[in-house]
Amino acid sequence: DQQVKQNSPSLSVQEGRISILNCDYTNSMFDYFLWYKKYPAEGPTFLISISSIKDKNEDGRFTVFLNKSAKHLSLHIVPSQPGDSAVYFCAASAKGNNRLAFGKGNQVVVIP
Amino acid sequence: DAGVIQSPRHEVTEMGQEVTLRCKPISGHDYLFWYRQTMMRGLELLIYFNNNVPIDDSGMPEDRFSAKMPNASFSTLKIQPSEPRDSAVYFCASSLLVSSTDTQYFGPGTRLTVL
Repeated sequence: DQQVKQNSPSLSVQEGRISILNCDYTNSMFDYFLWYKKYPAEGPTFLISISSIKDKNEDGRFTVFLNKSAKHLSLHIVPSQPGDSAVYFCAASAKGNNRLAFGKGNQVVVIP
Repeated sequence: DAGVIQSPRHEVTEMGQEVTLRCKPISGHDYLFWYRQTMMRGLELLIYFNNNVPIDDSGMPEDRFSAKMPNASFSTLKIQPSEPRDSAVYFCASSLLVSSTDTQYFGPGTRLTVL
């Protein structure tokens, strides 16, 4: 059963505009959330994370928002750049549990 | 550091054959993870090791799959016999000290095709 869900598997956005990726989770024990970015023929690389004690974390053009009551998080990329074209995975873990649960990923295409 | 190294990068085999995937984690990392990526299920954790000891293999799909870590710098994932439904990209990842906040570093993956 998929504990981390990413709907809308693909997104196309114009360069300079905002990209918004959404992620929902079902396990209320999750307390740490991550986004990974993956280019073709490469492994996923860590992008940004957020702890459940926060509702926002920002790193340059990337911001992650967490809504615990809705079990929902989102990744905002602004402004989007062609190099952001990749697959983005949402992941989550629970305290004391070393497993990461991943979503299926969202394909983002930034159009120059 | 060279990062996590996986070999081969691509493997094509016939149903029933044995397949061995290899991984060299980042030096000094205590944890090693094997994942499988498919279109249907996304990224799934198969098994992970701590200091060469398997800790959680609940994600291993069936007895045809086995994983070993004979030393801190090498791990294998073996499928015997292989089946077409095993076709996927297999990733190895390592991390320094697993807690909920530690980053996992992924290798480039092995794309397995079973005919």
